[in-house]
Amino acid sequence: DGGITQSPKYLFRKEGQNVTLSCEQNLNHDAMYWYRQDPGQGLRLIYYSQIVNDFQKGDIAEGYSVSREKKESFPLTVTSAQKNPTAFYLCATNRGSGNTIYFGEGSWLTVV
Amino acid sequence: ILNVEQSPQSLHVQEGDSTNFTCSFPSSNFYALHWYRWETAKSPEALFVMTLNGDEKKKGRISATLNTKEGYSYLYIKGSQPEDSATYLCAFGVRGSQGNLIFGKGTKLSVKP
Repeated sequence: DGGITQSPKYLFRKEGQNVTLSCEQNLNHDAMYWYRQDPGQGLRLIYYSQIVNDFQKGDIAEGYSVSREKKESFPLTVTSAQKNPTAFYLCATNRGSGNTIYFGEGSWLTVV
Repeated sequence: ILNVEQSPQSLHVQEGDSTNFTCSFPSSNFYALHWYRWETAKSPEALFVMTLNGDEKKKGRISATLNTKEGYSYLYIKGSQPEDSATYLCAFGVRGSQGNLIFGKGTKLSVKP
């Protein structure tokens, strides 16, 4: 099946621990994105990558890190520096700026 | 700070009713306007990407219009069906800020049979 796979779907983390969310795509898209959604808010961009080995900060990058070593993969690490990490995280891809965005099914992260 | 506003926040209609929502966005530095449908427990699904002032797009019973000069887009659903129940998101693409879409909070539509 072609698409975007996010894992895990649900994740619980203790305060002070880093956690990595996986995003893999087989759509051969150049661009990949990480968004965060909080209750009552729109999707907010954390990081995006237009090409392998390059990425840019979005609006709320503090406390997060990413890597883009392969075209297919764009993992997001939520570090202990992120003050309010409990949220729903969506990974997305597209062929490039201005094109339709395709989303994964999301990952729920809860800090306990 | 760029802001995208969607109204209404939520909408309850009867099956067969036609409805419409609004997306307001900055009228400067426009690049593209996206509409997505997000059903519960599923991924957001693209409906339309519009780039030209005056654009009108249609997909089945759903259509959208775009006015970039005044900064708004309308989404219309003709003859709403229960399966149209979802949150409808719009997103504004900023010229010069490649890859960064600014999303609205969405309009949640509930269609009662």
